[in-house]
Amino acid sequence: QVQLVQSGVEVKNPGASVKVSCKASGYIFADYYIHWMRQAPGQGLEWMGWITPSSGVIGYAQKFQGRVTMTRDTSINTAYMEVSSLTSDDTAVYFCARGSASTGGGSLPFNYWGQGTLVTVSS
Amino acid sequence: EIVLTQSPGTLSLSPGERATLSCRASQSISNSYLAWYQQKPGQAPRLLIYGASNRATGTPDRFSGSGSGTDFTLTISRLEPEDFAVYYCQQYVDSPRTFGQGTKLEIK
Repeated sequence: QVQLVQSGVEVKNPGASVKVSCKASGYIFADYYIHWMRQAPGQGLEWMGWITPSSGVIGYAQKFQGRVTMTRDTSINTAYMEVSSLTSDDTAVYFCARGSASTGGGSLPFNYWGQGTLVTVSS
Repeated sequence: EIVLTQSPGTLSLSPGERATLSCRASQSISNSYLAWYQQKPGQAPRLLIYGASNRATGTPDRFSGSGSGTDFTLTISRLEPEDFAVYYCQQYVDSPRTFGQGTKLEIK
């Protein structure tokens, strides 16, 4: 069965960076986009960007350009999302989700999600 | 960017009642690439409806989606206790992918 398993809780100081991982199983990792979202405490879902595991092509939400880096390691079926220059506003649960097939076939919703990774930024 | 506006922000109903949630888009969503998700506290969102009206695997048939263009609706015909949660609409036709701000369905 398709699973996305994320790394654990992180506590960071302001100004630091954090890197969250998302390990995929149960399907061919290279064949589907991975998207990243975040959810601040008590708030809604905010889309951050996507990565194509097969080629490494990335698309970021404009808000996160320059401060977020998405990468992947196809040898271990894992996607990564790094946020730099953290502030308290970055305190949130970060989610990865599987999106559309990179081979085509139309756009797909997010049918599979990671469990979420809580990142707390505090001095 | 397609902006999605959900209403109401909070809906207070009793089990057994009918719930109607609305999602309005700032521009037409082609191919009805509109999804609905349910989120409970401490959990990841769960896909309920895709393509505006198609139930995802495991979605009970008391959930139905309708609409096209810019106006979409999620209807829960008879509320069960486990349905009280936050619901988000999302468009997946365009980048950036965008979500509505959510409707909280609470027990009256």
